[in-house]
This record gives sequence, structure tokens and C-alpha cells, in this order.
Amino acid sequence: DVKVTQSSRYLVKRTGEKVFLECVQDMDHENMFWYRQDPGLGLRLIYFSYDVKMKEKGDIPEGYSVSREKKERFSLILESASTNQTSMYLCASSPRGEVDIQYFGAGTRLSVL
Amino acid sequence: GQNIDQPTEMTATEGAIVQINCTYQTSGFNGLFWYQQHAGEAPTFLSYNVLDGLEEKGRFSSFLSRSKGYSYLLLKELQMKDSASYLCVVMDSNYQLIWGAGTKLIIKP
Repeated sequence: DVKVTQSSRYLVKRTGEKVFLECVQDMDHENMFWYRQDPGLGLRLIYFSYDVKMKEKGDIPEGYSVSREKKERFSLILESASTNQTSMYLCASSPRGEVDIQYFGAGTRLSVL
Repeated sequence: GQNIDQPTEMTATEGAIVQINCTYQTSGFNGLFWYQQHAGEAPTFLSYNVLDGLEEKGRFSSFLSRSKGYSYLLLKELQMKDSASYLCVVMDSNYQLIWGAGTKLIIKP
């Protein structure tokens, strides 16, 4: 089974702090994604990566950055956390191919106070 | 703009059948997915449709009409464990995924 592991299930941070969310997948997938999920909204794509060292902006990249130094690891960075970044963050991976079936981690619920 | 509409919440009875509808308006179409998400857990893939018609997989079936911009997920012989949110997702002409807000399905005994 594909396993996507997010480092924390719950995080509480203060406004202005730098926050790192880590994601590791064990199936050698080329593609990795970071989403946020808020009540009443569909998943919104923050950043994605199709290969090591590669990154592409999604729909809502402002206030975020990412890092992909190794194929299995994709990190999301909040340079200076703000209260409007309180959300559920989901990491996903998928193999390269036409049908983009995504495999998700369990999510990190981040609260910024 | 791109839009996916699905009901916010539905309630059904254990053992019954329920149909969750999804309509979409997107820039092109390269397939439609359904995902299941239990509360506090990761979304998991259920089905993929790219051609018109019905795809059956056990108790779950998914239907697509591209001309109508319409899909439904049909769940038969409902079990309590089917209580979850069901997410409709469309891949547009740029192979980007457009996610619906999800339908919360409540199963009652």
C-alpha cells in the first residue's frame, strides 16, 4: 500500500512564527502536492512538484513556500504564520501518468494564534 | 470560472441506496474522480470516469454524462462505515484537478 506520512497531526503556532510541515511518501512517486482544506470549500492547491528540485505554484501560493530536495520528501513552509493560515493541510503524491490518482496523508491541522 | 456543485449534506438509512450528484463547469474535461473522506482522515480514491456511462465497483457505482456536465456516485446496501464525505473532482483540459467541496453523507440505523 502507498503510504504518505505527514509529520504532525496537530500543530499550534503563534503569529509570525516560521512553520515547517513535512511530508514523506514511500512509493517512489514523481508528483507531490500540498493542499489546504477549509470548511465549505474544495481542496485548494498551494504548491506541487513533478520532480526533485522542481516546484510549481498552485492556486493559492501566497504566504507559502516549498522544498523538494529528495524525491520522497516535500516540505511546506509558512515563512511568517498568520491567523488566516489556520487550516487543515493535506499532502498527496501520485505516480507519473495520465490518470492522476492521488494518495493522501492523514493531514495536519494547524492552528495559528 | 470553473465550478463543481454537489449537495452539502445527505442523510440515508442503513441498507438503503443513495445517489450523490455532481455537476461541473470546467475548462475542458479529462476525467472525473470520486474520493471518500472519513472525518479526520485522508481522502481515498473511489472511482474514475472519462467516458460516458456507468462504472461499477462492488457496492459503489459512478456514472458520467459529459454532454450534461453531470456525474453521480451510487452507493448500495449502505453500511454505517459509509458515513463520510464524498468529493467530486474534475480534471480540466490542462490536467489540473478542480475539487468540489464534498457531500457529507450521514447514515442512520
